[in-house]
Amino acid sequence: DTGVSQDPRHKITKRGQNVTFRCDPISEHNRLYWYRQTLGQGPEFLTYFQNEAQLEKSRLLSDRFSAERPKGSFSTLEIQRTEQGDSAMYLCASSLARPGGSHTEAFFGQGTRLTVV
Amino acid sequence: AQKITQTQPGMFVQEKEAVTLDCTYDTSDQSYGLFWYKQPSSGEMIFLIYQGSYDEQNATEGRYSLNFQKARKSANLVISASQLGDSAMYFCAMREGTGSARQLTFGSGTQLTVLP
Repeated sequence: DTGVSQDPRHKITKRGQNVTFRCDPISEHNRLYWYRQTLGQGPEFLTYFQNEAQLEKSRLLSDRFSAERPKGSFSTLEIQRTEQGDSAMYLCASSLARPGGSHTEAFFGQGTRLTVV
Repeated sequence: AQKITQTQPGMFVQEKEAVTLDCTYDTSDQSYGLFWYKQPSSGEMIFLIYQGSYDEQNATEGRYSLNFQKARKSANLVISASQLGDSAMYFCAMREGTGSARQLTFGSGTQLTVLP
C-alpha cells in the first residue's frame, strides 16, 4: 500500500458549482478524517468516519458539505454551491483504532487544493 | 483559548546545526498525545514523532526528539544536524483522550528554513 491518496490534486471551479473530492485511505485503516487547511494555518478538523459510519462533524462543516464512506473504504467529500471562502487545501487522513483504545498516528494524503473563482 | 500554540512563525537554522521548534498546549485531559508533522511545499503532512502524556521518557526518532515538559505544557521539537531537506512547515498537534473522534488539533505552524 502506498499510503493515503487523494484525487484530484488541484481543482479550480466557478462559484456556485458543485465539486467532489475522493480519498483512498491505507487499506487496513478503519478511521478516516477530513481536514481543511487555509493558507498560513494548520489543518482544521471537518469530519471523521469509523468504518462506514460518520461519527462526528465539526461546526465548520456547513450544510453545503457532505461526506460519505459507503463501504468503509474510500471516502468522498462534496461541496455544493461553492463559495470563494471554500478555497483551501482539503486533506484526508487515516488511522487504525485498535480494540482496547490504542491508536496509530494519522497518515495524511497530499491533499486537494480547491480554488473557487 | 488556543489549544496548540506555536509562537515562531518562521525560523532559520544553519545546515548541520540543531534547532528547537516551540509548542505549548492546553488541555484539561489527563490522557492525550502530542504529535509533530512536517509539511513540505508538496502539501503532504508527514508524521515525525509522537509523545504520550503518560510516557516518562522523551520521544526520539532519528534526528528528531521531543522535549516534553508536562508541568509547563510544552512539547518542543528538536531537530539535530539540520539538512537542507528539512526546510518545510512544521506543525505541532494534540489528540485529547476524551471524545470519540480523537481528531488532531493543530497549531498554526512554524516555517523552518535551513541555510547552506
